[in-house]
Amino acid sequence: GENVEQHPSTLSVQEGDSAVIKCTYSDSASNYFPWYKQELGKRPQLIIDIRSNVGEKKDQRIAVTLNKTAKHFSLHITETQPEDSAVYFCAASRSGYGQNFVFGPGTRLSVLP
Amino acid sequence: GAVVSQHPSRVICKSGTSVKIECRSLDFQATTMFWYRQFPKKSLMLMATSNEGSKATYEQGVEKDKFLINHASLTLSTLTVTSAHPEDSSFYICSAVGQNYGYTFGSGTRLTVV
Repeated sequence: GENVEQHPSTLSVQEGDSAVIKCTYSDSASNYFPWYKQELGKRPQLIIDIRSNVGEKKDQRIAVTLNKTAKHFSLHITETQPEDSAVYFCAASRSGYGQNFVFGPGTRLSVLP
Repeated sequence: GAVVSQHPSRVICKSGTSVKIECRSLDFQATTMFWYRQFPKKSLMLMATSNEGSKATYEQGVEKDKFLINHASLTLSTLTVTSAHPEDSSFYICSAVGQNYGYTFGSGTRLTVV
């Protein structure tokens, strides 16, 4: 089955700096890779996703890159703000209808003012 | 957009009692719902996959007689924690998938067993 690893487990950055979180996956059939942001005690919120036919996707301060050959994908947050502080989860899935996601262990991001 | 409602948001129950958690897709039909458990500072761990009208598929290590899942309609799935014990205390969260709608999470239920 799929196995998703995520690094680092915790990350502290100064406000305005960039943050990068990296994930690797094991199942070469996975072709959909979402990123979720979860604040304490709340539901995960989708912040960006990428499919395997695309190498990079950007949405304002957030970008995701995918290297399908190496089976890794990364989340990049630029110009970080205190409200970016949360736990971020990557996930991998075969994008067939009703397919489960396998989540990484999460990264706790702290943006220091 | 797609909305998934989960109730209750918090519940405290006594050891030995059962607790039912509901997950509803409010504006779409969810033929598949997933139930996750999340321990403090840990990732989401899939417990079971629930398809409307059929028996749930449980992940290895999850006791199906303890965590009863019912997906009776296209908009409702329930998770019942039977004979709850303190070690069952956790954050339980559902997600739903429907045609034309991606993965949508419920708001989660924090269960505390005392």
